[in-house]
Amino acid sequence: SAVISQKPSRDICQRGTSLTIQCQVDSQVTMMFWYRQQPGQSLTLIATANQGSEATYESGFVIDKFPISRPNLTFSTLTVSNMSPEDSSIYLCSVDAGEFGEQYFGPGTRLTVT
Amino acid sequence: GQQVMQIPQYQHVQEGEDFTTYCNSSTTLSNIQWYKQRPGGHPVFLIQLVKSGEVKKQKRLTFQFGEAKKNSSLHITATQTTDVGTYFCAGEDSGGSNYKLTFGKGTLLTVNP
Repeated sequence: SAVISQKPSRDICQRGTSLTIQCQVDSQVTMMFWYRQQPGQSLTLIATANQGSEATYESGFVIDKFPISRPNLTFSTLTVSNMSPEDSSIYLCSVDAGEFGEQYFGPGTRLTVT
Repeated sequence: GQQVMQIPQYQHVQEGEDFTTYCNSSTTLSNIQWYKQRPGGHPVFLIQLVKSGEVKKQKRLTFQFGEAKKNSSLHITATQTTDVGTYFCAGEDSGGSNYKLTFGKGTLLTVNP
């Protein structure tokens, strides 16, 4: 298992600005994942972040908009750049740390862009 | 790309009634996982199914994986108010990247006491 913390838990930002979300894990993990979840909706994978390599982005998500850092095996950041109201969502990080390959999720960051 | 469909989108039951949610993948899966997300919370892992035709039980919850490894179901017997939340299935594509999960849209379960 793994315990994951995220900062900030929520934020209200103005359009055109950027926000960096931090994800900290209590143990070393190979893979970290970043998801977006609109209220009441499913989880959409943004990218997979492995330590020491470039993040792998899913279709519809690009590095210029969502740059990711993975400096070590316990930490990652996701930046939401040049925000617009359409970026308002909950952003979740997760890690693949289970015996069965299950994912453990952080508490999420609720972002509102005005 | 892989798609995972889940029905129903919503289900409201009286406490004590049974509940079932169904999941169907467009591709064969190496495994399927189920998660529960309480209102305002984050997804929490429930179980993983790997084998064709596999059935697993957790108290009042019964999980099934189809013979073709493309569909799955979660059945809750005699629902309780503590069962309230959104139940997601998530499939790992047998031909895709390891550990990448595709989530269904989820089924929101509400229970009337």
